[in-house]
Amino acid sequence: QKEVEQNSGPLSVPEGAIASLNCTYSDRGSQSFFWYRQYSGKSPELIMFIYSNGDKEDGRFTAQLNKASQYVSLLIRDSQPSDSATYLCAVNSRVGANNLFFGTGTRLTVIP
Amino acid sequence: DTAVSQTPKYLVTQMGNDKSIKCEQNLGHDTMYWYKQDSKKFLKIMFSYNNKELIINETVPNRFSPKSPDKAHLNLHINSLELGDSAVYFCASSQEDRGEQYFGPGTRLTVT
Repeated sequence: QKEVEQNSGPLSVPEGAIASLNCTYSDRGSQSFFWYRQYSGKSPELIMFIYSNGDKEDGRFTAQLNKASQYVSLLIRDSQPSDSATYLCAVNSRVGANNLFFGTGTRLTVIP
Repeated sequence: DTAVSQTPKYLVTQMGNDKSIKCEQNLGHDTMYWYKQDSKKFLKIMFSYNNKELIINETVPNRFSPKSPDKAHLNLHINSLELGDSAVYFCASSQEDRGEQYFGPGTRLTVT
């Protein structure tokens, strides 16, 4: 079983719509959850992190965490063409300090 | 200002050679990491260093060796390069008591 699973997509949404990205993880002991954005040929860029159950909002981004369901999601409101990228979900492991396990990423395309 | 930097950006070499990739961070972080991103874009942890001590060593071949001259630098040495080593290698850093990791621009290694 993979540590972190994401739908690979591609996910296409029209400009201005809400994009919803989902991630599940297998280790119930995981404490920290991260969303990274990676443009083609570039490095992963941290856009959101969440440590507690519930919602966390930052601008157009909202991260949602449900530890009971082992589920974390990212909502992007008012999607822009510049949001088109691969979004990586990452979860920490209990083993070692801050060892992150990454999902395979969801490719998002925002259509103008 | 560059937070995490890597050199070189591109590295093309032949099988059997030995090569090094350098990483520096100016964020004042105390933990640094090396990740490998394969052709399918899967990002996997290789090593992490905390205060010059190796604290995580995933099951990577012993041809790979991280070396940290000081807290701001973590270099990756690769001996006897193989075709399967071709990938993008990312350096990252974080503060130990916080999980957020920040990535360098990556080094695309091609072994011919």
